[in-house]
Amino acid sequence: DQQVKQNSPSLSVQEGRISILNCDYTNSMFDYFLWYKKYPAEGPTFLISISSIKDKNEDGRFTVFLNKSAKHLSLHIVPSQPGDSAVYFCAASMYTGKLIFGQGTTLQVKP
Amino acid sequence: GAVVSQHPSRVICKSGTSVKIECRSLDFQATTMFWYRQFPKQSLMLMATSNEGSKATYEQGVEKDKFLINHASLTLSTLTVTSAHPEDSSFYICSARDPLATDTQYFGPGTRLTVL
Repeated sequence: DQQVKQNSPSLSVQEGRISILNCDYTNSMFDYFLWYKKYPAEGPTFLISISSIKDKNEDGRFTVFLNKSAKHLSLHIVPSQPGDSAVYFCAASMYTGKLIFGQGTTLQVKP
Repeated sequence: GAVVSQHPSRVICKSGTSVKIECRSLDFQATTMFWYRQFPKQSLMLMATSNEGSKATYEQGVEKDKFLINHASLTLSTLTVTSAHPEDSSFYICSARDPLATDTQYFGPGTRLTVL
Protein backbone atom coordinates (compact mmCIF):
# COMPACT_ATOMS: atom_id res chain seq x y z
CA ASP A 1 0.00 0.00 0.00
CA GLN A 2 1.84 3.05 -1.30
CA GLN A 3 0.71 6.00 0.81
CA VAL A 4 2.94 8.48 -1.01
CA LYS A 5 3.23 8.28 -4.76
CA GLN A 6 5.35 10.03 -7.33
CA ASN A 7 3.89 8.82 -10.57
CA SER A 8 6.51 10.31 -12.86
CA PRO A 9 9.77 8.39 -12.63
CA SER A 10 11.61 11.00 -14.68
CA LEU A 11 11.37 14.56 -15.94
CA SER A 12 13.53 16.44 -18.43
CA VAL A 13 13.56 20.23 -18.54
CA GLN A 14 15.54 22.87 -20.38
CA GLU A 15 17.78 25.12 -18.32
CA GLY A 16 16.00 28.30 -17.27
CA ARG A 17 12.55 26.78 -17.53
CA ILE A 18 10.28 25.67 -14.72
CA SER A 19 10.49 22.15 -13.28
CA ILE A 20 7.32 20.82 -11.70
CA LEU A 21 7.53 17.64 -9.66
CA ASN A 22 4.32 16.08 -8.43
CA CYS A 23 3.40 13.94 -5.47
CA ASP A 24 0.12 12.36 -4.34
CA TYR A 25 -0.76 10.91 -0.97
CA THR A 26 -3.62 8.89 0.44
CA ASN A 27 -3.46 9.37 4.20
CA SER A 28 -5.24 12.49 5.43
CA MET A 29 -3.45 12.16 8.79
CA PHE A 30 -0.17 13.37 7.35
CA ASP A 31 0.57 16.77 8.88
CA TYR A 32 3.80 17.74 7.21
CA PHE A 33 5.30 17.25 3.80
CA LEU A 34 8.92 17.52 2.76
CA TRP A 35 10.95 17.46 -0.40
CA TYR A 36 14.43 15.98 -0.55
CA LYS A 37 17.06 15.95 -3.26
CA LYS A 38 19.30 12.95 -3.60
CA TYR A 39 22.39 12.04 -5.58
CA PRO A 40 23.45 8.41 -6.05
CA ALA A 41 25.28 6.90 -3.06
CA GLU A 42 24.53 9.94 -0.90
CA GLY A 43 21.96 10.69 1.76
CA PRO A 44 18.96 12.88 0.92
CA THR A 45 19.34 16.64 1.30
CA PHE A 46 16.43 18.57 2.73
CA LEU A 47 15.02 21.17 0.34
CA ILE A 48 11.73 22.55 1.56
CA SER A 49 8.73 21.56 3.63
CA ILE A 50 5.14 22.57 4.14
CA SER A 51 2.70 22.14 6.97
CA SER A 52 -0.70 20.69 6.22
CA ILE A 53 -2.32 23.94 7.37
CA LYS A 54 -0.66 25.89 4.59
CA ASP A 55 -1.06 25.77 0.83
CA LYS A 56 2.20 27.32 -0.27
CA ASN A 57 5.75 27.71 0.94
CA GLU A 58 8.52 29.44 -0.95
CA ASP A 59 12.29 29.40 -0.49
CA GLY A 60 14.35 30.99 -3.20
CA ARG A 61 13.90 29.09 -6.44
CA PHE A 62 11.85 26.39 -4.73
CA THR A 63 8.13 26.60 -4.05
CA VAL A 64 5.95 23.82 -2.71
CA PHE A 65 2.20 23.87 -3.24
CA LEU A 66 -0.23 21.75 -1.25
CA ASN A 67 -3.77 20.92 -2.32
CA LYS A 68 -5.29 19.09 0.61
CA SER A 69 -8.62 18.40 -1.02
CA ALA A 70 -6.85 16.64 -3.86
CA LYS A 71 -4.18 15.15 -1.58
CA HIS A 72 -1.60 16.48 -3.95
CA LEU A 73 1.57 18.49 -3.60
CA SER A 74 4.04 19.80 -6.10
CA LEU A 75 7.53 21.25 -6.10
CA HIS A 76 8.30 24.07 -8.50
CA ILE A 77 11.87 24.97 -9.35
CA VAL A 78 12.29 28.25 -11.20
CA PRO A 79 14.56 28.79 -13.01
CA SER A 80 15.90 25.28 -13.36
CA GLN A 81 19.67 24.85 -13.42
CA PRO A 82 21.81 21.92 -14.57
CA GLY A 83 22.96 21.49 -10.96
CA ASP A 84 19.38 20.69 -10.02
CA SER A 85 19.66 17.38 -11.86
CA ALA A 86 19.10 14.69 -9.22
CA VAL A 87 16.45 12.40 -7.80
CA TYR A 88 13.73 14.24 -5.91
CA PHE A 89 11.74 12.50 -3.20
CA CYS A 90 8.64 13.79 -1.55
CA ALA A 91 7.97 12.56 1.96
CA ALA A 92 5.03 12.77 4.31
CA SER A 93 5.21 12.91 8.06
CA MET A 94 2.90 12.17 10.91
CA TYR A 95 3.26 13.38 14.49
CA THR A 96 5.50 10.40 15.25
CA GLY A 97 8.16 11.86 13.00
CA LYS A 98 8.22 8.83 10.72
CA LEU A 99 8.67 9.76 7.10
CA ILE A 100 6.94 7.92 4.30
CA PHE A 101 8.74 8.46 1.00
CA GLY A 102 7.53 8.44 -2.55
CA GLN A 103 9.36 6.47 -5.20
CA GLY A 104 11.32 9.47 -6.42
CA THR A 105 11.47 11.43 -9.68
CA THR A 106 14.70 11.80 -11.60
CA LEU A 107 15.04 15.35 -12.85
CA GLN A 108 17.38 16.15 -15.69
CA VAL A 109 17.99 19.79 -16.51
CA LYS A 110 19.57 20.20 -19.92
CA PRO A 111 21.91 23.13 -20.63
CA GLY B 1 21.28 22.87 7.94
CA ALA B 2 22.13 20.43 10.67
CA VAL B 3 24.79 17.81 10.08
CA VAL B 4 24.42 14.09 10.51
CA SER B 5 27.36 11.78 9.92
CA GLN B 6 27.54 8.05 9.26
CA HIS B 7 30.43 5.67 9.58
CA PRO B 8 31.60 3.77 7.67
CA SER B 9 30.54 5.11 4.30
CA ARG B 10 31.23 1.80 2.64
CA VAL B 11 31.76 -1.72 3.97
CA ILE B 12 32.31 -5.09 2.38
CA CYS B 13 32.02 -8.16 4.55
CA LYS B 14 31.77 -11.91 4.33
CA SER B 15 28.48 -13.70 4.74
CA GLY B 16 27.83 -14.60 8.38
CA THR B 17 29.69 -11.68 9.91
CA SER B 18 28.15 -8.74 11.75
CA VAL B 19 28.52 -5.13 10.70
CA LYS B 20 28.00 -2.05 12.85
CA ILE B 21 27.01 1.30 11.34
CA GLU B 22 27.17 4.49 13.39
CA CYS B 23 24.99 7.55 13.01
CA ARG B 24 25.89 10.77 14.76
CA SER B 25 24.16 14.13 14.99
CA LEU B 26 27.02 16.62 15.05
CA ASP B 27 25.44 19.90 16.08
CA PHE B 28 22.25 19.01 17.88
CA GLN B 29 20.96 16.44 20.30
CA ALA B 30 18.58 13.99 18.73
CA THR B 31 16.24 12.08 20.98
CA THR B 32 14.90 10.32 17.91
CA MET B 33 16.79 8.91 14.98
CA PHE B 34 15.51 6.82 12.11
CA TRP B 35 17.09 4.07 10.02
CA TYR B 36 16.21 3.57 6.37
CA ARG B 37 17.41 1.28 3.65
CA GLN B 38 17.31 1.85 -0.05
CA PHE B 39 17.58 -0.75 -2.78
CA PRO B 40 18.82 0.36 -6.20
CA LYS B 41 16.39 2.64 -7.98
CA GLN B 42 13.84 2.29 -5.24
CA SER B 43 12.51 4.54 -2.51
CA LEU B 44 13.81 4.84 1.02
CA MET B 45 12.09 2.38 3.30
CA LEU B 46 11.88 3.09 7.01
CA MET B 47 13.29 0.21 9.03
CA ALA B 48 13.03 1.44 12.59
CA THR B 49 12.74 4.39 14.91
CA SER B 50 15.56 4.72 17.40
CA ASN B 51 14.71 6.39 20.69
CA GLU B 52 17.40 7.50 23.10
CA GLY B 53 17.32 5.44 26.26
CA SER B 54 14.62 3.03 25.14
CA LYS B 55 14.04 0.19 22.75
CA ALA B 56 13.78 0.85 19.05
CA THR B 57 10.45 0.57 17.27
CA TYR B 58 10.65 -1.62 14.19
CA GLU B 59 8.49 -1.41 11.10
CA GLN B 60 6.47 -4.38 10.02
CA GLY B 61 8.58 -7.00 8.32
CA VAL B 62 11.90 -5.84 9.79
CA GLU B 63 13.57 -8.45 11.99
CA LYS B 64 14.64 -6.82 15.25
CA ASP B 65 17.08 -9.64 16.02
CA LYS B 66 18.65 -9.18 12.63
CA PHE B 67 18.98 -5.42 12.76
CA LEU B 68 20.02 -4.41 16.26
CA ILE B 69 19.62 -0.76 17.09
CA ASN B 70 21.17 1.00 20.05
CA HIS B 71 20.65 4.67 20.85
CA ALA B 72 22.94 5.08 23.81
CA SER B 73 23.33 8.84 23.75
CA LEU B 74 21.61 11.91 22.36
CA THR B 75 24.08 12.11 19.50
CA LEU B 76 24.71 8.48 18.57
CA SER B 77 22.63 5.63 17.24
CA THR B 78 24.08 2.38 15.94
CA LEU B 79 22.66 -0.22 13.60
CA THR B 80 24.22 -3.67 13.70
CA VAL B 81 23.42 -6.06 10.89
CA THR B 82 23.92 -9.47 12.48
CA SER B 83 24.92 -12.57 10.55
CA ALA B 84 24.83 -10.65 7.32
CA HIS B 85 23.81 -12.36 4.11
CA PRO B 86 24.06 -11.19 0.50
CA GLU B 87 20.40 -10.14 0.51
CA ASP B 88 21.27 -7.63 3.25
CA SER B 89 23.43 -5.75 0.77
CA SER B 90 21.88 -2.32 0.48
CA PHE B 91 22.31 1.37 1.12
CA TYR B 92 21.56 2.17 4.75
CA ILE B 93 20.74 5.74 5.71
CA CYS B 94 20.03 7.27 9.09
CA SER B 95 18.25 10.48 9.89
CA ALA B 96 17.92 12.58 12.99
CA ARG B 97 15.12 14.85 13.98
CA ASP B 98 16.12 18.32 15.10
CA PRO B 99 14.29 18.94 18.41
CA LEU B 100 14.10 22.66 17.59
CA ALA B 101 12.48 21.92 14.23
CA THR B 102 10.64 18.69 14.86
CA ASP B 103 9.17 18.51 11.42
CA THR B 104 12.53 18.46 9.71
CA GLN B 105 14.82 15.47 9.51
CA TYR B 106 18.42 15.59 8.44
CA PHE B 107 19.97 12.60 6.79
CA GLY B 108 23.38 11.08 7.01
CA PRO B 109 25.41 10.40 3.87
CA GLY B 110 24.53 6.72 3.92
CA THR B 111 26.48 3.47 4.21
CA ARG B 112 26.86 1.09 1.31
CA LEU B 113 26.92 -2.49 2.63
CA THR B 114 28.03 -5.29 0.36
CA VAL B 115 27.88 -8.83 1.71
CA LEU B 116 29.86 -11.36 -0.26
